Amino acid sequence: TQLLEQSPQFLSIQEGENLTVYCNSSSVFSSLQWYRQEPGEGPVLLVTVVTGGEVKKLKRLTFQFGDARKDSSLHITAAQPGDTGLYLCAHSNTGKLIFGQGTTLQVKP
Amino acid sequence: NAGVTQTPKFQVLKTGQSMTLQCAQDMNHNSMYWYRQDPGMGLRLIYYSASEGTTDKGEVPNGYNVSRLNKREFSLRLESAAPSQTSVYFCASSQKDSGNTIYFGEGSWLTVV
Repeated sequence: TQLLEQSPQFLSIQEGENLTVYCNSSSVFSSLQWYRQEPGEGPVLLVTVVTGGEVKKLKRLTFQFGDARKDSSLHITAAQPGDTGLYLCAHSNTGKLIFGQGTTLQVKP
Repeated sequence: NAGVTQTPKFQVLKTGQSMTLQCAQDMNHNSMYWYRQDPGMGLRLIYYSASEGTTDKGEVPNGYNVSRLNKREFSLRLESAAPSQTSVYFCASSQKDSGNTIYFGEGSWLTVV
């Protein structure tokens, strides 16, 4: 099993701060996905990164895939309380989607 | 647009009881999944079905069985529930030619006492 390690596990910040969440592995991936999950709901796909070095932006969220395709990061600029949730990275392993353990983000007003 | 629908939403079981979690998707997806989610553990894959009639074990299959009844439905059965199976269970589906985006149901909260 190709493990995905996410850090930090928990993050509590004030509204307006910036933050970065990391997803690391010793394995090379053909692609990597980021999901966001709100309490009481299932995860929802935010982005898929495919190419080494790729950067994708989704409003205040910036996703980067490492050059070697072993790691990825999610950077949030000027965090808002609405960004609160569980952020998960995942990769597809022979068709099965395997998740990291997630980063719980709390943004306080 | 129902997407992925799973039932029941909440269930309390006694140790040793059996139950089946039902899941259906209306997106004509080939692949379906069952995950469990526990605090600090992310989502762990229990079983996976790449297409109707096929199933594969995931990361944590012990204590569970699945049935891919048809393309729409994928059920998860606990034959003899144990307290360690207390968790939130998510069903999901995806289609490779749709970018392999995975769509999740809303979850089933199961407590085994």
